[in-house]
Amino acid sequence: KNEVEQSPQNLTAQEGEFITINCSYSVGISALHWLQQHPGGGIVSLFMLSSGKKKHGRLIATINIQEKHSSLHITASHPRDSAVYICAVPIIQGAQKLVFGQGTRLTINP
Amino acid sequence: EPEVTQTPSHQVTQMGQEVILRCVPISNHLYFYWYRQILGQKVEFLVSFYNNEISEKSEIFDDQFSVERPDGSNFTLKIRSTKLEDSAMYFCASSEATRRETQYFGPGTRLLVL
Repeated sequence: KNEVEQSPQNLTAQEGEFITINCSYSVGISALHWLQQHPGGGIVSLFMLSSGKKKHGRLIATINIQEKHSSLHITASHPRDSAVYICAVPIIQGAQKLVFGQGTRLTINP
Repeated sequence: EPEVTQTPSHQVTQMGQEVILRCVPISNHLYFYWYRQILGQKVEFLVSFYNNEISEKSEIFDDQFSVERPDGSNFTLKIRSTKLEDSAMYFCASSEATRRETQYFGPGTRLLVL
């Protein structure tokens, strides 16, 4: 069983739509990362959260530690939001290595 | 804002050749990591490094791989004899000693083994 599962795997939407990407994990964690991978391959960290909700511009991330579930929301989506969004969970084994979801490929059409 | 940098951004090499991928972590960070992503697959953990030694490694990180912090700023990943299946994007990350769960990623090095 995968330790980190994301849904959907692919998402296509029109500009302006509200986007939700989900992440479920099976391991106990202290925090969860949401990352953005651009078409060129580079990774940017969007959020690290351990409880509740965080907001940065049009991006909102929520986490429910008891249910082992997190969501990433994008309001008023724009074509420049097109990217792969990855959820990653640190495994608490001393060095805190990250285990990654398979990513959600988001395409926003104008 | 401080950032992790990696060089080169792209590298093409012949099978069997040695490659060294370089990373400059954020200056006050003490934990360093290498991850890789084979095209179309998940990002995978390779190794973590602290206090001049490996603190954890995955089953991928076999004897062909080594890491080093040759000076106060660089953190390197060496692949001794590259294989075709080593072709991937390699990401370096670093974190503070007191906030290890927050890792900052470099832009990656795309390695192509021919």
